[in-house]
Amino acid sequence: GDSVTQMEGPVTLSEEAFLTINCTYTATGYPSLFWYVQYPGEGLQLLLKATKADDKGSNKGFEATYRKETTSFHLEKGSVQVSDSAVYFCALRFSGNTPLVFGKGTRLSVIA
Amino acid sequence: EAGVTQSPTHLIKTRGQQATLRCSPISGHTSVYWYQQALGLGLQFLLWYDEGEERNRGNFPPRFSGRQFPNYSSELNVNALELEDSALYLCASSGRQGAHEQYFGPGTRLTVT
Repeated sequence: GDSVTQMEGPVTLSEEAFLTINCTYTATGYPSLFWYVQYPGEGLQLLLKATKADDKGSNKGFEATYRKETTSFHLEKGSVQVSDSAVYFCALRFSGNTPLVFGKGTRLSVIA
Repeated sequence: EAGVTQSPTHLIKTRGQQATLRCSPISGHTSVYWYQQALGLGLQFLLWYDEGEERNRGNFPPRFSGRQFPNYSSELNVNALELEDSALYLCASSGRQGAHEQYFGPGTRLTVT
């Protein structure tokens, strides 16, 4: 079945460090890909998305590129802040309003 | 525009009881999804409702059920509660066919003692 694999956390970085969270997927066909973020005590917020190969999603300094050849959608940010501390979820979804398939999440802690 | 709302915020039940969780989607959205976020297990898809009908369900026993009302709000019912049902239950909504984004509510924290 369809699945998403994320790098194991937790990830601890100093402020202004470079962030990469790896995400790969297994799917039949070409899904849309998403990154969601969950801040402490809150629900999920859509961070960015890409709907086809080579699309780059970006938001709040975060970026991810849909790589069909490597079935990957790695999340990057050039300079993290303490306020970026959260759990990040990679997810895929096919068209037709089907449910999201999530990775297990990666907890990021940024220290000043 | 109001986002997805859920109630109650917290719910404490004892084993064997029933729990009812509620969700109101974003205005104009017709699809509602329920997910369970149990500690250490990530997010698991529970149920999907669209236009009042159950469209799909995840790998959960039948004691997890729900419905969608004519105004597109939804209710999740969990019968015969077990300790492992303790989790954060998240509701999401999306627009009509072809829309890709799901927008999540803040969740209901269910604790079973």
